[in-house]
Amino acid sequence: DTEVTQTPKHLVMGMTNKKSLKCEQHMGHRAMYWYKQKAKKPPELMFVYSYEKLSINESVPSRFSPECPNSSLLNLHLHALQPEDSALYLCASSPRFQRGGIEDTQYFGPGTRLTVL
Amino acid sequence: QKEVEQDPGPLSVPEGAIVSLNCTYSNSAFQYFMWYRQYSRKGPELLMYTYSSGNKEDGRFTAQVDKSSKYISLFIRDSQPSDSATYLCAMSAIGGNYGQNFVFGPGTRLSVLP
Repeated sequence: DTEVTQTPKHLVMGMTNKKSLKCEQHMGHRAMYWYKQKAKKPPELMFVYSYEKLSINESVPSRFSPECPNSSLLNLHLHALQPEDSALYLCASSPRFQRGGIEDTQYFGPGTRLTVL
Repeated sequence: QKEVEQDPGPLSVPEGAIVSLNCTYSNSAFQYFMWYRQYSRKGPELLMYTYSSGNKEDGRFTAQVDKSSKYISLFIRDSQPSDSATYLCAMSAIGGNYGQNFVFGPGTRLSVLP
């Protein structure tokens, strides 16, 4: 099973709302990632968790707040977003982080399409 | 110079054609190479991965790596309309910060016309 699941599939929110994106994997992977993807662009890395600890924060604004409650779950809490934050938000997981080679292979979820009004 | 470059496309071919998708890279520390396929509004799907220079075949897909030229390719034989998607190359190295360790190319949009 190489499945990463994400909920919800679509989300529309106002600039004053608080919402959360959820990601789950049951492959025993110990690294999980959040990416943001705009149309016709490759995914841009936001956060990396390795063994449930935040390892990378790519200077993401504080209105995005990640959380890794356990090794299978990854959340992204959203608050006071801007219209320019509208994008496809992708979650990925890999067996390990920064080991090089096959253990870095990332498996992606289907994404959450976020629209901020 | 970008770390990984890829023909942006869009690339349009007739059904049944052989498609060649290419990436070049500058960092010789990259040792592990992947190809992802992404349909519109979906997450990237891993197609193939390979370590070594040479060819690796999986059905209609062949991944080719030339480390001496820092060049990788994905060939699609007998292309089908269902192959219409964006193809992203990705590569991984050992060590360094994340930006050097795992990098995506910008993607090539492919359309296979019936």
